[in-house]
Amino acid sequence: EPEVTQTPSHQVTQMGQEVILRCVPISNHLYFYWYRQILGQKVEFLVSFYNNEISEKSEIFDDQFSVERPDGSNFTLKIRSTKLEDSAMYFCASKPNRGGQPQHFGDGTRLSIL
Amino acid sequence: AQSVTQLDSQVPVFEEAPVELRCNYSSSVSVYLFWYVQYPNQGLQLLLKYLSGSTLVKGINGFEAEFNKSQTSFHLRKPSVHISDTAEYFCAVSVISGGGADGLTFGKGTHLIIQP
Repeated sequence: EPEVTQTPSHQVTQMGQEVILRCVPISNHLYFYWYRQILGQKVEFLVSFYNNEISEKSEIFDDQFSVERPDGSNFTLKIRSTKLEDSAMYFCASKPNRGGQPQHFGDGTRLSIL
Repeated sequence: AQSVTQLDSQVPVFEEAPVELRCNYSSSVSVYLFWYVQYPNQGLQLLLKYLSGSTLVKGINGFEAEFNKSQTSFHLRKPSVHISDTAEYFCAVSVISGGGADGLTFGKGTHLIIQP
């Protein structure tokens, strides 16, 4: 069964540094998402992406965050100047089309900011 | 805006006993409803979904859930649990809208602990 893959599985970064989290969505999917889960808290929506542009973003997704689909397969989340509170598990998800089709999640990238 | 409430942060259950994990939601518009499971060090796996039609939906691993519109609930049940069901369970909703790209709103999760 096709899977959403995320790399790296664990990223350690110094505060203030830029970090890029990478995702390869399922190949025929059209909608892409990023979520984060701070340790011990619930999964929170960050952003959705369709047709090469952001469709929706949450209040968390401020100017330090950006997303990109640089080629036909990758979907990236960039955090420009990381803060301690950015430490979390970041999940990428994709779904094939609009409507109620469920989102398929990757295994996540654990981001640790020192 | 939508919100999802999972009242129980932890539910301990003996093996082979039945279990119900509660989920209530709040939304001013119609929503789709989902249950996801997260095993340790893994991503979120879809258990089941409610889009429309029959209010009782069956999912993987013997789980089922019932949508109750009047009570705005979507409780998850399994008649007989196994040790392998130990995991974190998340209820989530997404808005039924024309855009189609709506993100999921999750509850805080319920940790199901199966005791031998």
